[in-house]
Amino acid sequence: AQKITQTQPGMFVQEKEAVTLDCTYDTSDPSYGLFWYKQPSSGEMIFLIYQGSYDQQNATEGRYSLNFQKARKSANLVISASQLGDSAMYFCAMRERTRGATNKLIFGTGTLLAVQP
Amino acid sequence: EAGVVQSPRYKIIEKKQPVAFWCNPISGHNTLYWYRQNLGQGPELLIRYENEEAVDDSQLPKDRFSAERLKGVDSTLKIQPAELGDSAVYLCASSFIDRRETQYFGPGTRLLVL
Repeated sequence: AQKITQTQPGMFVQEKEAVTLDCTYDTSDPSYGLFWYKQPSSGEMIFLIYQGSYDQQNATEGRYSLNFQKARKSANLVISASQLGDSAMYFCAMRERTRGATNKLIFGTGTLLAVQP
Repeated sequence: EAGVVQSPRYKIIEKKQPVAFWCNPISGHNTLYWYRQNLGQGPELLIRYENEEAVDDSQLPKDRFSAERLKGVDSTLKIQPAELGDSAVYLCASSFIDRRETQYFGPGTRLLVL
């Protein structure tokens, strides 16, 4: 069964420092997609970054980058130059095939990030 | 471009009462999803629509939950009757069919059943 594991329930980081949020996954499907979402206290899930299983390069989106290590089945999110507004819950998710079609997202349990001034 | 719209944002009801949630997806997105997020957990899929067709409703508790997406745009999720364990955030998401099929979420409806 496909599964996402986030082992860090919570983390602190100093403002302007970089932080890495861990994510490991388990799947037997050779084609999959990995996503990171941010969920602030307002509740909305905000899409941050995507990595496809066949993508040769690690994905980057502004201050967000994804450290994709396929052999280790890990897809860690790196946030550079942390800002106070980065304080939120962060979810790693994997796209699962259902009934031969794609697009059921399996989420991890999330990591709560607190940025300290 | 407007994002996914959901209403209401908050709902408090007594158990055994009915409740309904509404979702308007991003314009042009033909796939719509309803997720439920329990406290301290990630969202879990309830139902997925491709246009008007519910293509994955395997996780929807059909004895009390129902959903519809008439005309392939707006969608309504209903619970009747609500139970205490239904207290959660109900998230709607939509996506466009491309390589990534990235799902974009609405703000959610926080339901409290007393």
